[in-house]
Amino acid sequence: DGGITQSPKYLFRKEGQNVTLSCEQNLNHDAMYWYRQDPGQGLRLIYYSQIVNDFQKGDIAEGYSVSREKKESFPLTVTSAQKNPTAFYLCASSILGPGGEAFFGQGTRLTVV
Amino acid sequence: GQQLNQSPQSMFIQEGEDVSMNCTSSSIFNTWLWYKQDPGEGPVLLIALYKAGELTSNGRLTAQFGITRKDSFLNISASIPSDVGIYFCAGPQIQGAQKLVFGQGTRLTINP
Repeated sequence: DGGITQSPKYLFRKEGQNVTLSCEQNLNHDAMYWYRQDPGQGLRLIYYSQIVNDFQKGDIAEGYSVSREKKESFPLTVTSAQKNPTAFYLCASSILGPGGEAFFGQGTRLTVV
Repeated sequence: GQQLNQSPQSMFIQEGEDVSMNCTSSSIFNTWLWYKQDPGEGPVLLIALYKAGELTSNGRLTAQFGITRKDSFLNISASIPSDVGIYFCAGPQIQGAQKLVFGQGTRLTINP
């Protein structure tokens, strides 16, 4: 089945540790995105990528890093520099050009303990 | 960058009632998208609108692309319990790098 897959669904991290969230898509989409969602809030853009080996900072990139070595994959690393990392993280992908509907993964809930 | 303002922020209704929410911007969009997010899940695309004035339905949902290209609304008729969730409007930014701009969301709660 075509789609976008995030793993794991739930993730616990000790304070001060880096952690990497996985996002894979088999929709052949060029663009991929990472969003952060806090309880009762909307979606805030962390990073996005329109092509392999290139990515841009979104609105809240500090404390996060990404890579785009393959078209299908866009992992997000939450570093120890992120002051308040506990949140729900959503990955999405879309075509480029007119329309541009994004399709989302199921999300990863990260909790810092 | 472009911004989208959604209203209302939350709605509390009785089962069976109709629902209306809207999304406005100070700048134009060429596409309007409406998503629904269930608790603990990723948003799912409900309706996509591509042309000014376009009216599109998906079951009990109806959405319209405003003539000015600066607004859109979503209606839900005869609400049922599974309509509970957060509804987001979104649109691809026109200028600069292509990325989706999202509204803040409308949280719908239904009393049975």
